[in-house]
This record gives sequence, structure tokens and C-alpha cells, in this order.
Amino acid sequence: DAMVIQNPRYQVTQFGKPVTLSCSQTLNHNVMYWYQQKSSQAPKLLFHYYDKDFNNEADTPDNFQSRRPNTSFCFLDIRSPGLGDAAMYLCATSTGRRRVPPETQYFGPGTRLLVL
Amino acid sequence: TQLLEQSPQFLSIQEGENLTVYCNSSSVFSSLQWYRQEPGEGPVLLVTVVTGGEVKKLKRLTFQFGDARKDSSLHITAAQPGDTGLYLCAGDNDYKLSFGAGTTVTVRA
Repeated sequence: DAMVIQNPRYQVTQFGKPVTLSCSQTLNHNVMYWYQQKSSQAPKLLFHYYDKDFNNEADTPDNFQSRRPNTSFCFLDIRSPGLGDAAMYLCATSTGRRRVPPETQYFGPGTRLLVL
Repeated sequence: TQLLEQSPQFLSIQEGENLTVYCNSSSVFSSLQWYRQEPGEGPVLLVTVVTGGEVKKLKRLTFQFGDARKDSSLHITAAQPGDTGLYLCAGDNDYKLSFGAGTTVTVRA
């Protein structure tokens, strides 16, 4: 029944060591999003893919990159993690088609990243 | 950037009590969504409100969308420990969402 799957659930990395988080979906949705969420705060959108089109948020640091090799998978790459990048990273999907009622974003369980 | 403000930031109540969480903005949204997020999990959609003045009920949860479509509230009647979590409101921004900072609700048994 899992619709948005994130691996791993917990990731420990070292300061400056590149890390990749993965997300897969079984919903065949057009849009995949990556959010960063720090403790008891709102999810902050980093970027999203609409099909193959990459859309970066203006305030997303260059340290964060993303890849979407096909419809089902999307990756978040952190090139040189700093201590401030420790957070929960959430992947979400949606159809991307405007309609009424508004579409839902389906979230994965998240990957909690710890930077040592 | 469309900003959503939620209040209160934290709420701790005894089982059986009622609570209300507010979500306010200076912007008009075509819809507002409420999510609940449990510790260590992703947000799960509770409800979407679309029409100004709309009231939706989901068991003990009542959601209201303001007439001007700038604000919303979530009221929980007779809260239970299972209601504990982070409640997030989110405004529809094309196919993206603008999230509020969330309200952490703790219901003590």
C-alpha cells in the first residue's frame, strides 16, 4: 500500500561528506517535491520536478541538488552537508493538474538526516 | 511569498478538553488544507476547504474557512491522546503549498 517511499528513514553522515536521499512513488504523479523540515517547524520547499522540469526555490542553497531519472524516482543530493543541514527531509507527490477540489500532496515518511 | 501564521505555536491540554488552532494570512487563497504530522512521520491530509464560510466536520474535528478565504480554524472536541501531533495549515499556491509554522498539540491522558 506504500505510495511514497523514502530510503533510508535515518541517515547519518559526516560534515562535508556527500549524501543522497531517495524517494520513489507508485502513484504515477507528475510532480515530486523535496522539503526540509526542522524540529517543530513547517516544511520548507527546496525544489520540485514537474515531469522532467526542475524548479528550484529562490532561497535553496546551491549545496542541495536533485535528480529525477524517471517518473517514479527522485533523489536529493547534499554535496557538502553542514551541521545546519541536519533535519527531516520529506518527499511529496501530486498530480500537478489544476482541478476542483485542489489536489492533495502525498508525503512520504521522511528521512531524518544527522550530520556529525 | 504568501505567508500563513498559525497560533498558538504550542498547546497542551488534558484529555476530554476542547481546543482550537488558528491559521491566518493577509493573502487570499483558493483553498486551505490542514495536515497532521505525527512524530517521525510525514504530514497526512485531514481536510481541504475551498469555499469562503465553509465548515467541514471530520468526527470530532471541525474546520472552518473564513468568508474572505484568508483564515481558517481547526476545532477539536473532547481531545484524545491520539490527537497529539503537529497540525499544519497550507494554502494552495497553484500546485505548490505555502505552509504555516504549525501548532504542536499535546493531549495528556
